[in-house]
Amino acid sequence: EDKVVQSPLSLVVHEGDTVTLNCSYEVTNFRSLLWYKQEKKAPTFLFMLTSSGIEKKSGRLSSILDKKELSSILNITATQTGDSAIYLCAVGVYSGGSNYKLTFGKGTLLTVNP
Amino acid sequence: EAGVAQSPRYKIIEKRQSVAFWCNPISGHATLYWYQQILGQGPKLLIQFQNNGVVDDSQLPKDRFSAERLKGVDSTLKIQPAKLEDSAVYLCASSLMASGNTIYFGEGSWLTVV
Repeated sequence: EDKVVQSPLSLVVHEGDTVTLNCSYEVTNFRSLLWYKQEKKAPTFLFMLTSSGIEKKSGRLSSILDKKELSSILNITATQTGDSAIYLCAVGVYSGGSNYKLTFGKGTLLTVNP
Repeated sequence: EAGVAQSPRYKIIEKRQSVAFWCNPISGHATLYWYQQILGQGPKLLIQFQNNGVVDDSQLPKDRFSAERLKGVDSTLKIQPAKLEDSAVYLCASSLMASGNTIYFGEGSWLTVV
């Protein structure tokens, strides 16, 4: 059974701090790893990492995929209160031919205090 | 570009009643997913459609859940009869194809079974 594990499950920091969120996986037919941000609504897409794109950066957020260690990190620098959310890691796998689906971790609840 | 549309946004029903959720994916997206997200957990795939065909429903509780996508566009997810443990957010998502593109989520339908 495919497994995605995120750590820590929750984290409280002060504005301006830098945080690192972790995601490890054990899956068959790995295709990609995705990070989503979820506030009180649907997950919104942040990054997709694949074998051909193991590092992504957007503003204060960056992510790296380590295919050897089967893991990824999401870094957020100079955190702001608006970064408070659940951060979901999902691994895209092929299941049955070319069918592609995501398996999610439980998420990391990040709280940024002013 | 319009996103994934879902309705209703919120629904409260008594156990043993039935409920239906509707989803309209992003225009042109051939692949449609229904996920169940229970509080404190990551989304879990219930069913995946490629156009109007089912490609994965291995985690759908078929004794009470059903879903269809008759014309390869809109989809409905039905629960009958509902149980207390079905209380969750039901997320519809879509992607361009089933071959590893980014998956985009709707805002979800929040179900409470009392």
